[in-house]
Amino acid sequence: DVKVTQSSRYLVKRTGEKVFLECVQDMDHENMFWYRQDPGLGLRLIYFSYDVKMKEKGDIPEGYSVSREKKERFSLILESASTNQTSMYLCASKGGREYEQYFGPGTRLTVT
Amino acid sequence: EDQVTQSPEALRLQEGESSSLNCSYTVSGLRGLFWYRQDPGKGPEFLFTLYSAGEEKEKERLKATLTKKESFLHITAPKPEDSATYLCAVQDTGFQKLVFGTGTRLLVSP
Repeated sequence: DVKVTQSSRYLVKRTGEKVFLECVQDMDHENMFWYRQDPGLGLRLIYFSYDVKMKEKGDIPEGYSVSREKKERFSLILESASTNQTSMYLCASKGGREYEQYFGPGTRLTVT
Repeated sequence: EDQVTQSPEALRLQEGESSSLNCSYTVSGLRGLFWYRQDPGKGPEFLFTLYSAGEEKEKERLKATLTKKESFLHITAPKPEDSATYLCAVQDTGFQKLVFGTGTRLLVSP
């Protein structure tokens, strides 16, 4: 079974703080993704990575950056957290030959 | 622009009362249509991938079907444990990303 883990289930940060969200997958997948999920808006893609050190912007990259130094790990960075970044953050991974993405449990981030 | 619309937004069923969820999509070229189940506070759980019109897939009480414009998730004789939000997503050919609908919240009462 594919396993995707995220570093925290719940996180509370203050406005202006630098925030790191980490995601690890154990299936040697090439592709990894970060989404945020908000009521009424569904899942929206922030960034994705198709290889180590490679990244592509998704639909809503503003205010975020990412890092992929190792194949199994993909980090989402909020350089200066703002209240409008309060959301559920979901990481996913996908193998090169597969179409479906497998999701982690999510991190509920609250920025006060 | 790829788009996915799910209906209804919410559905309440009695245990054993069969029904269907709808996912309408527009995409220039369909690589795959995906169904996920999401429980409150958790990440989406993969259910099915459909690749071409006419394809059907089944898993326990769930059956997914696909036409050129929409997909249905049929739930036969549902149980309370089927209560969840069901998400539909599409992947366009040539792109890695999924485009998601906003989901259907299903509540099955005993």
